[in-house]
Amino acid sequence: DTGVSQNPRHKITKRGQNVTFRCDPISEHNRLYWYRQTLGQGPEFLTYFQNEAQLEKSRLLSDRFSAERPKGSFSTLEIQRTEQGDSAMYLCASSLGRVFRNTIYFGEGSWLTVV
Amino acid sequence: DAKTTQPPSMDCAEGRAANLPCNHSTISGNEYVYWYRQIHSQGPQYIIHGLKNNETNEMASLIITEDRKSSTLILPHATLRDTAVYYCIVRVEYRAGTASKLTFGTGTRLQVTL
Repeated sequence: DTGVSQNPRHKITKRGQNVTFRCDPISEHNRLYWYRQTLGQGPEFLTYFQNEAQLEKSRLLSDRFSAERPKGSFSTLEIQRTEQGDSAMYLCASSLGRVFRNTIYFGEGSWLTVV
Repeated sequence: DAKTTQPPSMDCAEGRAANLPCNHSTISGNEYVYWYRQIHSQGPQYIIHGLKNNETNEMASLIITEDRKSSTLILPHATLRDTAVYYCIVRVEYRAGTASKLTFGTGTRLQVTL
């Protein structure tokens, strides 16, 4: 079990640039989640996938944000035209999504700093 | 999902049991109680979950009251490495096997001291 893997772990970018984060879930997990966390706050839900289908998106996911999971395995979260308010830790998580096996496991997060 | 109430912070001496309370008075029948913790700058770590029976694993014990309106996470012998923010979350699990997302509050900041 390699756990949920996120890359890059840290990213510093200039305002206005685009950034992309990648998440590799635990093998065979069909549900994948993205969360965002700012300092002093708990993680906030952004979106989740069941296999390749994006089933729910939070109001936090503005038009500048797009998430994909093209083959139902890894996922990417892209932020276009970054703003300083996008600075946060972006967390990916996955779960098996079966009866009595719904525990969600998180990766170590990707830190974004927009300067 | 039902909301939870946790104290913002707690202290515990190393080697002693840490008892972290959580109130979830509006919990419904198909909602489980989950506990996660987050050590500084790391992703949340799953600890334990339960529906109505007490649960124990290698990390902790979860005691749920009979009316299910509150629960307590017990770390039997706290160490400095248990210093973290602990989140109590209630989550719907459906018969079909799906479950709701996790909705985090602000949690309890546990400080374990020498």
